[in-house]
Amino acid sequence: EAAVTQSPRNKVAVTGGKVTLSCNQTNNHNNMYWYRQDTGHGLRLIHYSYGAGSTEKGDIPDGYKASRPSQENFSLILELATPSQTSVYFCASGDVGGRAETLYFGSGTRLTVL
Amino acid sequence: GEQVEQLPSILRVQERSSASINCTYENSASNYFPWYKQEPGENPKLIIDIRSNMERKQIQGLIVLLDKKAKRFSLHITDTQPADSAMYFCAASEGTGYQNFYFGKGTSLTVIP
Repeated sequence: EAAVTQSPRNKVAVTGGKVTLSCNQTNNHNNMYWYRQDTGHGLRLIHYSYGAGSTEKGDIPDGYKASRPSQENFSLILELATPSQTSVYFCASGDVGGRAETLYFGSGTRLTVL
Repeated sequence: GEQVEQLPSILRVQERSSASINCTYENSASNYFPWYKQEPGENPKLIIDIRSNMERKQIQGLIVLLDKKAKRFSLHITDTQPADSAMYFCAASEGTGYQNFYFGKGTSLTVIP
């Protein structure tokens, strides 16, 4: 099965601080995604990438940046963290089979901004 | 973007009964509909999917139905077991290559022994 590893698993940050969430996939998938999961909202797309050097805005990109320095790594950056960004963040990589893509999710990062 | 509505948000069923989750979508171009299961503290995992050229798909005790005219698709879990207790998400996507997935808000299923 596809392996997507996120770090850290848990993070506590202060308001106004910088937070970097890291994601690594070892499956040579071109596409990678960052979602946040909140009760009552399901999974919402923040940023995604088609490959190394590419980052695109998802549905809720405000307050977040992304970086894809290599095929394997995709980071989510909160330059000035706010309490509203307290959430569980999932990274995923995509495997295109036929005309449909299967998403493989990492184990998630629980971020608390105080 | 696409809007995917998922109901119910909470579902409790007796063991060995059936559970049904319904989703609707708005975009006629959506052509791929996966279902993900997320157990407590775990990541979402794909359990079954259906493409727009199909109306029904079954994998063991999981059945997915797609009604393209009504823009509705559903997951049916037959003979439920306590291990089926989890959060379930439906999603819809369109296009080729990169596909943006629009997820429903999730259904929390509890199977009562």
